Amino acid sequence: QKEVEQNSGPLSVPEGAIASLNCTYSDRGSQSFFWYRQYSGKSPELIMSIYSNGDKEDGRFTAQLNKASQYVSLLIRDSQPSDSATYLCAVNRDDYKLSFGAGTTVTVRA
Amino acid sequence: SQTIHQWPATLVQPVGSPLSLECTVEGTSNPNLYWYRQAAGRGLQLLFYSVGIGQISSEVPQNLSASRPQDRQFILSSKKLLLSDSGFYLCAWSVKGEAFFGQGTRLTVV
Repeated sequence: QKEVEQNSGPLSVPEGAIASLNCTYSDRGSQSFFWYRQYSGKSPELIMSIYSNGDKEDGRFTAQLNKASQYVSLLIRDSQPSDSATYLCAVNRDDYKLSFGAGTTVTVRA
Repeated sequence: SQTIHQWPATLVQPVGSPLSLECTVEGTSNPNLYWYRQAAGRGLQLLFYSVGIGQISSEVPQNLSASRPQDRQFILSSKKLLLSDSGFYLCAWSVKGEAFFGQGTRLTVV
């Protein structure tokens, strides 16, 4: 079982719609959860971090965490063409090691 | 503010040649440092991480090695490159769990 699993995609959404990304993790002791955005040919950039159950909103992004279900999601509201990228889910199993999912590629159609 | 420098941005090396990639961090003390590799269209594979000077943990067996000669310097090396070593190499730093990445080095072994 992979440590962090994401829907492989690609996910295509029309401009202005909501993009929904899912991630599950295997280690129940995981404490910290992150979403990164990676444009083609570039390095990943952190867009959201979440540490406790529930929702966390930052602009058009909402991260949701359910530790009982070992599930993390990212919602992108009012999707823009500039949101077209690969989104990586990352889980911190302890203080040192950050494990990444394979990523979900999102394409926003104008 | 913290910054991370990674160089070179691109590198083409023949099979069997040595490799040295360097990464330095500014604006923070005693960071956790990481080397990741990303194959084309794939997720991030953790290669090495370090929690302090001279302390290196390896995640996967391979012909690569890492060293941390100074608090904010992390070096990835190989004595003899293989074709399978091609990929996008990313250095990252962390203090509180989330990782911040350098610009990456795209290595092509020919």
